[in-house]
Amino acid sequence: GAVVSQHPSWVICKSGTSVKIECRSLDFQATTMFWYRQFPKQSLMLMATSNEGSKATYEQGVEKDKFLINHASLTLSTLTVTSAHPEDSSFYICSATTGTSYNEQFFGPGTRLTVL
Amino acid sequence: AQTVTQSQPEMSVQEAETVTLSCTYDTSESDYYLFWYKQPPSRQMILVIRQEAYKQQNATENRFSVNFQKAAKSFSLKISDSQLGDAAMYFCAYRGSGNTPLVFGKGTRLSVIA
Repeated sequence: GAVVSQHPSWVICKSGTSVKIECRSLDFQATTMFWYRQFPKQSLMLMATSNEGSKATYEQGVEKDKFLINHASLTLSTLTVTSAHPEDSSFYICSATTGTSYNEQFFGPGTRLTVL
Repeated sequence: AQTVTQSQPEMSVQEAETVTLSCTYDTSESDYYLFWYKQPPSRQMILVIRQEAYKQQNATENRFSVNFQKAAKSFSLKISDSQLGDAAMYFCAYRGSGNTPLVFGKGTRLSVIA
């Protein structure tokens, strides 16, 4: 149980285009989803917290107009990178939690974005 | 704000030997959770072990155990009988109460020598 999927796993796009990444909780309802960004050989950096049915909360320094997050249902959150540029190339990871007191987060396999 | 510090960027261990990865954290909260995650080359985050702050007993999962020193805010991971498959990046992480995000350390890259 507690499986999180991400789609696509790898995407290459041209500079200036938009890319949508989906994060799905397959066997549980995720009250909260988190989006992280990871550069090579670095740690995970939190980008935003997404609660179902409400606006995402972005971390300081993360452009909310560039990284659009939608958490439309208890099983799906999407991250759209708008007008992508080469510096947006990175590994994007989502995680989901049921909000129980145990506080475990379940991670998706990640999406590698390359912007040419 | 909470911080997590991993002071060992890289570690190596001989196969079948024991290795300890260090982690310290800073928080003013009394209710929190600590985790060790493994990230192999596939980059899938894998939960290795977790510890609730209110529990005095150190968590153990097969070959993995922690030394949780709450007063010292220390949370080290011991891997016994190291295997080649243990080679990966290991992240120490902190999470407070409620639906708060994980705070990660910078990670320790573990190599296992055959």
